[in-house]
Amino acid sequence: AQTIHQWPVAEIKAVGSPLSLGCTIKGKSSPNLYWYWQATGGTLQQLFYSITVGQVESVVQLNLSASRPKDDQFILSTEKLLLSHSGFYLCAWSRWGGYAEQFFGPGTRLTVL
Amino acid sequence: GDSVTQTEGLVTLTEGLPVMLNCTYQSTYSPFLFWYVQHLNEAPKLLLKSFTDNKRPEHQGFHATLHKSSSSFHLQKSSAQLSDSALYYCALSVNTGNYKYVFGAGTRLKVIA
Repeated sequence: AQTIHQWPVAEIKAVGSPLSLGCTIKGKSSPNLYWYWQATGGTLQQLFYSITVGQVESVVQLNLSASRPKDDQFILSTEKLLLSHSGFYLCAWSRWGGYAEQFFGPGTRLTVL
Repeated sequence: GDSVTQTEGLVTLTEGLPVMLNCTYQSTYSPFLFWYVQHLNEAPKLLLKSFTDNKRPEHQGFHATLHKSSSSFHLQKSSAQLSDSALYYCALSVNTGNYKYVFGAGTRLKVIA
């Protein structure tokens, strides 16, 4: 069975500080990977997707970047956090893109002060 | 561009009454439509996915019918249960090679005794 793990579970960071969030998928080779952001009480906004190692596409610009250093790993980062970055970050995977079910990880709660 | 509209932010129902959550969409292409459900402090999970033919997907008593003529994919259930209380997202995806998913604003369903 496939499992998806995100770290950390929660972060409290200062404005202007760097950030790195991680996601690992086990039990599935070559998954499509996605990062989503969910503001408190808001909808799910797709940030990035990746269909292969080393290749990441941006969907919306939020002063964030993403990388896929390994087949099963997806990293979301920024060098300078903004207050607007607060929210819930979800990693997801799918078997193939375009019309496949997405499986979401447990998420990381980020609070920027 | 592609968009999904969920007009109700909050729907409050008495247990046993029928459920109908609205979802309409706009897309240049023929998209696939999804319903995801997110319970409190949990990650979103797929509830239903549209089929390419005229089959009506059903799961856990919920069903939805894709009407291309009206660009709608409303979620229905004949009898609401307390455990149905959750946040419901309608989403679409088009297979144009960019693996982009668009989520609606979400509808919070609150079922009361």
